[in-house]
Amino acid sequence: DAGVIQSPRHEVTEMGQEVTLRCKPISGHDYLFWYRQTMMRGLELLIYFNNNVPIDDSGMPEDRFSAKMPNASFSTLKIQPSEPRDSAVYFCASSPFGEETQYFGPGTRLLVL
Amino acid sequence: EDKVVQSPLSLVVHEGDTVTLNCSYEVTNFRSLLWYKQEKKAPTFLFMLTSSGIEKKSGRLSSILDKKELFSILNITATQTGDSAIYLCAVAKTSGTYKYIFGTGTRLKVLA
Repeated sequence: DAGVIQSPRHEVTEMGQEVTLRCKPISGHDYLFWYRQTMMRGLELLIYFNNNVPIDDSGMPEDRFSAKMPNASFSTLKIQPSEPRDSAVYFCASSPFGEETQYFGPGTRLLVL
Repeated sequence: EDKVVQSPLSLVVHEGDTVTLNCSYEVTNFRSLLWYKQEKKAPTFLFMLTSSGIEKKSGRLSSILDKKELFSILNITATQTGDSAIYLCAVAKTSGTYKYIFGTGTRLKVLA
C-alpha cells in the first residue's frame, strides 16, 4: 500500500486566496483525520471523519476552514480566504478503527504571504 | 481543558547516552497514550500504552505508563544519530470521540 497520500506537498499563496489540500487515506481505513502543526501550538486535530461522515469538527479554527469527504478514498480541506496565520504543515492521517494507531501522510507545507 | 505536556522541550546528547523523555497529561476519559517519532516528515508510530505499569519495548526504545500519577516516559538507550527527531506524545480519549490530544513534542538531537 502506498500509505496516506497528500497533495500538494508545498503550497505558497497570497493572503485572501483559496487553498485546497487533498488527501487519499489508506484503502480500508474507516477514519480520516486532518491535523495542523505549528511551532507554537504543536499538532492540533482539526476534524475527523468516520465512514465519510464528519464526527468531530471542534478543532476547526473558524468558518474560513471547511472539510469534505465525498467518498472513502478522498478528502479535502479548504481555506477560504487564507490568512498568514494559517501558515503551517497540514497532515492527514487515517486509521482502520478510531482507537488504533493513526498513519500519517507526508503533510502539506502551507505558506500564506 | 485537556492538556498534554512534554518535557524537556529539547535535548542534545552524544551518541551512546541514555535519554528519558517525559509526558504528563490531564485528560478526561483517558483511553490510551501513544508515542510517535517525527523526523523530517510525518509522525510515525512507536508505542501505544493502555495499562499502567506494563513496559512496552522495541529495541533500544521502551516506554511505561503510570495512570495514577498521569504520566509516561520514553527511554532511549545507547542513542544513535538516527534517533534525532521530535518525539510526540498523544492521549486518546474515549466517550464517543477518537480525538487524540498531542503534546508539543521533545526535540532530540544526538551528536556523533
